[in-house]
Amino acid sequence: NAGVTQTPKFRILKIGQSMTLQCTQDMNHNYMYWYRQDPGMGLKLIYYSVGAGITDKGEVPNGYNVSRSTTEDFPLRLELAAPSQTSVYFCASSLRTPNEKLFFGSGTQLSVL
Amino acid sequence: GQNIDQPTEMTATEGAIVQINCTYQTSGFNGLFWYQQHAGEAPTFLSYNVLDGLEEKGRFSSFLSRSKGYSYLLLKELQMKDSASYLCAALKEDSSYKLIFGSGTRLLVRP
Repeated sequence: NAGVTQTPKFRILKIGQSMTLQCTQDMNHNYMYWYRQDPGMGLKLIYYSVGAGITDKGEVPNGYNVSRSTTEDFPLRLELAAPSQTSVYFCASSLRTPNEKLFFGSGTQLSVL
Repeated sequence: GQNIDQPTEMTATEGAIVQINCTYQTSGFNGLFWYQQHAGEAPTFLSYNVLDGLEEKGRFSSFLSRSKGYSYLLLKELQMKDSASYLCAALKEDSSYKLIFGSGTRLLVRP
């Protein structure tokens, strides 16, 4: 059982480049989330989705976009990469509601230079 | 507000007991989570409290007081592998259902 799979694990971008972080889960979870974690800090919610076709902003959505065309996939798009987006990104999912435990992907280390 | 406060670092000795505190000021609060995160890895779920009181799960226990906006994670019989960051997270239940994380407490277990 794969759980939550994120790709890539590492990426270096130049300022102004764009990229998509992929996230897929095979647990048929309704809720999916994108968090970022800066060094020595907690997790900040970027975007979340309560089901296919439904997304909403979290605490720090600026500079990012998401889509949820299927239950399984929840990609995160960076359109114009900036140094402030250097961080570790985690995708997560939960079965039905947010008051159930989150299952996290292994993370993506992104550097914008 | 949505402030969640926990100590930045703690040190304890193998075999001992340690208590990691978390205070929160989240309006529309509905539940308090604890996650463990080893360096370079993803967080993993430890506990969830929605009612006041103590929940025990093996060597780990979690306590919640909703009226005081206070929680703690208690780790007994500390092992070296318990060296990790412990993240407190509060579920903000309004129209958004956002899980708000604290900055985490880095626990170092020494022999």
